[in-house]
Amino acid sequence: DAKTTQPNSMESNEEEPVHLPCNHSTISGTDYIHWYRQLPSQGPEYVIHGLTSNVNNRMASLAIAEDRKSSTLILHRATLRDAAVYYCIPRGSGGSNYKLTFGKGTLLTVNP
Amino acid sequence: DTEVTQTPKHLVMGMTNKKSLKCEQHMGHRAMYWYKQKAKKPPELMFVYSYEKLSINESVPSRFSPECPNSSLLNLHLHALQPEDSALYLCASSPLIPRNEQFFGPGTRLTVL
Repeated sequence: DAKTTQPNSMESNEEEPVHLPCNHSTISGTDYIHWYRQLPSQGPEYVIHGLTSNVNNRMASLAIAEDRKSSTLILHRATLRDAAVYYCIPRGSGGSNYKLTFGKGTLLTVNP
Repeated sequence: DTEVTQTPKHLVMGMTNKKSLKCEQHMGHRAMYWYKQKAKKPPELMFVYSYEKLSINESVPSRFSPECPNSSLLNLHLHALQPEDSALYLCASSPLIPRNEQFFGPGTRLTVL
């Protein structure tokens, strides 16, 4: 599994954009980059995933570096409900592609 | 229905007890998972079932015994647990199409006395 490096914690103000970085320099060419988040006292929740191109959905945007060694999850306008631990997870496409190997993640605090 | 349900929400058991955790989904997903999460740590995969067959066991001790009686249900049978097994046990499901998202339940908070 590719190793990931994320900041332990980040802080944001409500209604401001948040950029959550992730380094995954050992990612293989066929690994997708998945992001999950875990709100307090809940199970993890899928946020977004991508391979090479930038991706958008209703929750967030994912910007992937051209060399794919890093990516950034972008929350366009943070709300208090976005306070959570965010996990960046490279995910293989081979026989073990159903596995999610969680790293330590980034604890995001959103200030009102 | 995009929900994974888990029962019970909380469980306290002694080291000699036998108990079971239950997980249910009605999304037609053919892959189901058990994860264990200790306090302040990320979830760790324990087991994966695909088409009701055990496909991955992450070297979990035999005091944890998974069971998938049908495509909607996943059980985790617990016997002779240790206090260090106290954790949040999370169930998840996903389609078998590669790279699709996993849907997680809220977890069962287990305390072993």
